[in-house]
Amino acid sequence: GQQLNQSPQSMFIQEGEDVSMNCTSSSIFNTWLWYKQDPGEGPVLLIALYKAGELTSNGRLTAQFGITRKDSFLNISASIPSDVGIYFCAGQLSAAGNKLTFGGGTRVLVKP
Amino acid sequence: DGGITQSPKYLFRKEGQNVTLSCEQNLNHDAMYWYRQDPGQGLRLIYYSQIVNDFQKGDIAEGYSVSREKKESFPLTVTSAQKNPTAFYLCASRGGDQGQPQHFGDGTRLSIL
Repeated sequence: GQQLNQSPQSMFIQEGEDVSMNCTSSSIFNTWLWYKQDPGEGPVLLIALYKAGELTSNGRLTAQFGITRKDSFLNISASIPSDVGIYFCAGQLSAAGNKLTFGGGTRVLVKP
Repeated sequence: DGGITQSPKYLFRKEGQNVTLSCEQNLNHDAMYWYRQDPGQGLRLIYYSQIVNDFQKGDIAEGYSVSREKKESFPLTVTSAQKNPTAFYLCASRGGDQGQPQHFGDGTRLSIL
């Protein structure tokens, strides 16, 4: 099955920095979702985007649904240590049983 | 508490055995999903069910089976035909209107002895 192209694969953050990650697809989606997963846990929903062009915030997180419906980005402002984890984008298509197609994840680590 | 419960958290299987992973939700959600996650990778869809007594294959259904006899339960059986079953298995459910997001349980880690 299709996988979304998510980048970067990993990044190091320093407390206070802004970070950004994005996802691209060759096909369109109705909904873009961003999840965060901590080790040994299930993914937790951060932001859901429902309309092309939509820009949505959740605290220090901001995400946008691309105009073409084939991409999305997630920004984290003023990062803190608990932002460490794996972030996944996912595209959802209602015509396909609302199945999710996931990106490969962005692993966020703290700079030593 | 409302939510999605997966059990057990850790499961060990001998070669050639079938094993069943439990997923229960008390959110009154119609749709439920099973995903497999391998180390350092994203999630891949195994099976999904949009309504009781109905389910469809996902992208990697071979070697797995499911049932949906009750709205709140969607067990996954990993059969002996699944040649590489060691993975982290995640269950999700979704309710409400079209486009509502899926929410996940905390997963079951399956290992082969």
